[in-house]
Amino acid sequence: AQSVTQPDIHITVSEGASLELRCNYSYGATPYLFWYVQSPGQGLQLLLKYFSGDTLVQGIKGFEAEFKRSQSSFNLRKPSVHWSDAAEYFCAVGPYNTDKLIFGTGTRLQVFP
Amino acid sequence: NAGVTQTPKFRVLKTGQSMTLLCAQDMNHEYMYWYRQDPGMGLRLIHYSVGEGTTAKGEVPDGYNVSRLKKQNFLLGLESAAPSQTSVYFCASSSSTPTQYEQYFGPGTRLTVT
Repeated sequence: AQSVTQPDIHITVSEGASLELRCNYSYGATPYLFWYVQSPGQGLQLLLKYFSGDTLVQGIKGFEAEFKRSQSSFNLRKPSVHWSDAAEYFCAVGPYNTDKLIFGTGTRLQVFP
Repeated sequence: NAGVTQTPKFRVLKTGQSMTLLCAQDMNHEYMYWYRQDPGMGLRLIHYSVGEGTTAKGEVPDGYNVSRLKKQNFLLGLESAAPSQTSVYFCASSSSTPTQYEQYFGPGTRLTVT
C-alpha cells in the first residue's frame, strides 16, 4: 500500500537559515510526488511536483525538492527561509493517473526573526 | 475568478443535528474532493467525484454523504453529527487526475460538534 511519512511534526528555524523538510514514501514503482503548503487559515497550495526526469525539481517561492529513489525520499529544501514561509507543509504521493493523492501528516514550520 | 469557495466558513452543531457543506468551483474542473484535516492526522479524503453525477468513497467516508448534481458544486452532508466529526473540512478541485493536474483548495470550513 502507498504511504507517506513526514517524520518531523514541528520545525523551528531562524530567518535566513536553510531549511530541509523530510518526506519518505512507500510505493512499488516510481510515484508522482508533491509538496503543498498551507498558510495559516488558508487552503493548500501546490509548491512543486515530481513526475520523472531530473531528480531535482524547482517550485514556487524559492523551494526545491530532490527525489532519491534509493532512499524513497522527496525532501523539500530552501536555502534561506523568510518569515513568510511559516506554514504547514504537506508531502503527497500518487501513482500515474490515480483519482486521488495520499497526503502525509504535515510538518509545521515556525520561523524566528 | 473566485477559484474554490466553501460555505459556511464556521459552524457549530449539536450532536445529532444535520448540515450540508457547499463547495463551488468556477474553473470548469471535472474532479472534486472533500478532505478533513485533524491535528496529527494530516488530510484524509472523505469522498470525491470524477465528474458530474459521480461520487466515490475515500479513506474516511463513514457518517458523510455527498452529491455532485452540477459540475461546479460538490455538497458534503452530515446526517447526524457526532463530536468525532469536529474538524476542518477542505474542498478541492482539479481538471483531471491530480497527478497530472494541480489540485486547487478552498479556504476550509471549521466545524465544531458539541
